[in-house]
Amino acid sequence: GQQLNQSPQSMFIQEGEDVSMNCTSSSIFNTWLWYKQDPGEGPVLLIALYKAGELTSNGRLTAQFGITRKDSFLNISASIPSDVGIYFCAGRLMYSGGGADGLTFGKGTHLIIQP
Amino acid sequence: DGGITQSPKYLFRKEGQNVTLSCEQNLNHDAMYWYRQDPGQGLRLIYYSQIVNDFQKGDIAEGYSVSREKKESFPLTVTSAQKNPTAFYLCASSIVPDGGELFFGEGSRLTVL
Repeated sequence: GQQLNQSPQSMFIQEGEDVSMNCTSSSIFNTWLWYKQDPGEGPVLLIALYKAGELTSNGRLTAQFGITRKDSFLNISASIPSDVGIYFCAGRLMYSGGGADGLTFGKGTHLIIQP
Repeated sequence: DGGITQSPKYLFRKEGQNVTLSCEQNLNHDAMYWYRQDPGQGLRLIYYSQIVNDFQKGDIAEGYSVSREKKESFPLTVTSAQKNPTAFYLCASSIVPDGGELFFGEGSRLTVL
């Protein structure tokens, strides 16, 4: 499948700090999805983006669909302990013809909040 | 409540045994998927089904089999031919096969002893 580069791989932050992570690719996407996964659980959908340049918020979370269609960003403001987990991006290729084979996942960003 | 139910949550298997993981959804979604998750790797697609009685191989289908006899059910069998079956398995569904959002179950952890 296509490569999605998600960074950073891990983040060590203090409670209350803002967080920023991103996914980039050389391919063009028509959908970006952001998920959070707690240990031993399935990913939960946080935000879905469908238009280039789109900026969408969900509480303290804000995600953007890059204008080039090759990247997306997720920001978390004023982090709290329950934000700990793994955050995944997923992109659906523009010219995949549809289907599950057009959806590619990043390897995740581990968010760790230091006491 | 609507959702995706996977069972069992934890499963232990001896080498050479086949095991079947259950996935049931009551969301009335057309498409269902199985992914495998290993530490440090993104989710990898095993099989997917866009409609009842039809399914397609994903990127890592070798050693796995599926069936889709009912819209709400998509069981995955991990066969003895799978060389490295210990992993976290995730079932997902989407309302339409060619787009939209994937919703995941809580996962099943398979350990081969």
